[in-house]
This record gives sequence, C-alpha cells and structure tokens, in this order.
Amino acid sequence: GDSVTQMEGPVTLSEEAFLTINCTYTATGYPSLFWYVQYPGEGLQLLLKATKADDKGSNKGFEATYRKETTSFHLEKGSVQVSDSAVYFCALMSGGSNYKLTFGKGTLLTVNP
Amino acid sequence: ETGVTQTPRHLVMGMTNKKSLKCEQHLGHNAMYWYKQSAKKPLELMFVYSLEERVENNSVPSRFSPECPNSSHLFLHLHTLQPEDSALYLCASSQNGPTGGQETQYFGPGTRLLVL
Repeated sequence: GDSVTQMEGPVTLSEEAFLTINCTYTATGYPSLFWYVQYPGEGLQLLLKATKADDKGSNKGFEATYRKETTSFHLEKGSVQVSDSAVYFCALMSGGSNYKLTFGKGTLLTVNP
Repeated sequence: ETGVTQTPRHLVMGMTNKKSLKCEQHLGHNAMYWYKQSAKKPLELMFVYSLEERVENNSVPSRFSPECPNSSHLFLHLHTLQPEDSALYLCASSQNGPTGGQETQYFGPGTRLLVL
C-alpha cells in the first residue's frame, strides 16, 4: 500500500538557518505530493504541492521538488524564521484516488531567535 | 482561517457519555472528511462524504457515527468511547472529493478529545 516516510523530529534551528526535512514515499501509479503545515493550536494548512515528476512546489520561501527516480519530496527553506515553528507533514494522493491522502508522521520544527 | 470551523475545540468525556463534534465549512465545497490525529501516528482518514452521501468508512468502530445533513455541515457522534480514542479529530473539505480531480483539502483547527 501507499506510505510516506519523513525524518524524525524534533528539528531545532536558529533563525536564518537552512532547513531540510526529508520525505520519501511508496505509491501505486503517479501520485500527487503535498506538504502541509500545522501551527500550534491550529489545523493543517496546505503549504505546497506538486502533481508530476520534476515539478517544484513553492510557497512562503519553502520549496520541494518531485523526484520520481528517488521517490522523494524533500522540503527546503533557505532562511527560517521563528514564525516557521510548526509541525510539517508530507503527504501523497495516489494516482488511483481523487481524495485519499496518506500522511507521514510529521516533523516538529522549532526555530529559536 | 481556512473557512472550516470545528466545535468544540476541546472536549473531555467519560466512557459512558454521548457527545457530538461539529464541523462547518464556508467554502461551498461538496465533500467533507473526518480524520483522527493520534500522538506518534500518521493522520488516519475515518469517513468521507460527497454530496451528503458517505463514500468511505475506513474500518472505523461503530462507537463513532458520522452525520452529514447538508454539504456545509458534518457531525461526528460519539458514544461509549475508550481511552485510546483520545486524539485530535480534524475535519476537512474539498471541492468535489471523489468526483473531482486531486483537489486540495482544507482542514479545520480540530477538536482535542480526552476520554477518561
């Protein structure tokens, strides 16, 4: 079945540091890939997505590139801010479904001033 | 603010209680979802409704009973829960769900449930 594996947290960085959160997947067909973010006390918000191989999703300075050859969708940001502190979830929607999201366990990011 | 609201935000209940969680979406969407978020586990899809009809019941115990009276409202009725049911319950909506393309799902803030 479909699965998503993302790096274990927590991740603690200083402001302006470079961020990478690794995400790899297994899926049938050609999935769409997503990163969601959950700020403290809130629900999940879509951060970015990519629907086909080599697509790059980007938003708010975050980027992730759909790598079919390595089945990966790593999240990166060049310079994190304290306000980026949140839990980040990698997810996929497999090619055979229009609505079933499979999530990773989430990675807690804390950014210190 | 994503356009999906949930009430209550926090709930404590005993194993013999009956309670309901409410979700409302203001986005004009036709599909709504219930997810369970437990500590140390990935989000689990529980139920999916499309145009007020249930299209997915992901092997959820009968002590959880969903209701979708119209496309804007979704309820989760709870009775005789177990302590392991304590979790964050998230509601989401999307434009068309199973009848659409691979659409973005918009999540509410969740209800934090504690079963004693």
